[in-house]
Amino acid sequence: NAGVMQNPRHLVRRRGQEARLRCSPMKGHSHVYWYRQLPEEGLKFMVYLQKENIIDESGMPKERFSAEFPKEGPSILRIQQVVRGDSAAYFCASSPPAVSYGYTFGSGTRLTVV
Amino acid sequence: QQQVKQSPQSLIVQKGGISIINCAYENTAFDYFPWYQQFPGKGPALLIAIRPDVSEKKEGRFTISFNKSAKQFSLHIMDSQPGDSATYFCAASAWHNNDMRFGAGTRLTVKP
Repeated sequence: NAGVMQNPRHLVRRRGQEARLRCSPMKGHSHVYWYRQLPEEGLKFMVYLQKENIIDESGMPKERFSAEFPKEGPSILRIQQVVRGDSAAYFCASSPPAVSYGYTFGSGTRLTVV
Repeated sequence: QQQVKQSPQSLIVQKGGISIINCAYENTAFDYFPWYQQFPGKGPALLIAIRPDVSEKKEGRFTISFNKSAKQFSLHIMDSQPGDSATYFCAASAWHNNDMRFGAGTRLTVKP
């Protein structure tokens, strides 16, 4: 059981470039969640997805950010035209279907915008 | 809208002491209350969780106390050890909605 796999672990992008963060949920988990964590701060909810559906994107900035969880393959968090303020750790978590039994988090992707 | 409020922001405890972290929630639909532990450079890991049908849950040195009427719950770490030094997050979710809302985190330092 490989757990929640996130890649890359570290990502450096220049301002204006695109960042793509990938998350493969645990086997048997069909729900994926993305969180952002700024240095010395807590976890900020961004988006909740099931296969081919966005369930709740209330925490996602309206512009430049998008997320998907296709039928096949990992979930992708995409940030277009990155700015310095996007520098943060982005964590993906997954959970089983139905009721909440707790999330399993990945190790995160640390995005640095230079 | 902060649905889960956590305090203190940071905590320093001597080895062997008791660490206490408090959380309060607003949404009465919440029915699952986990605590996560995060070490630097790592993702949060589930530590212990409670549902509102019990007032206390203990696992080893870690205990959750839950007060449904006050909408508060707390984490107690007995005999705190330097290896417990980490950031702790409380969280809450409702069974009909898988979204989990996190507190702001408490950075615990246990001095040897």
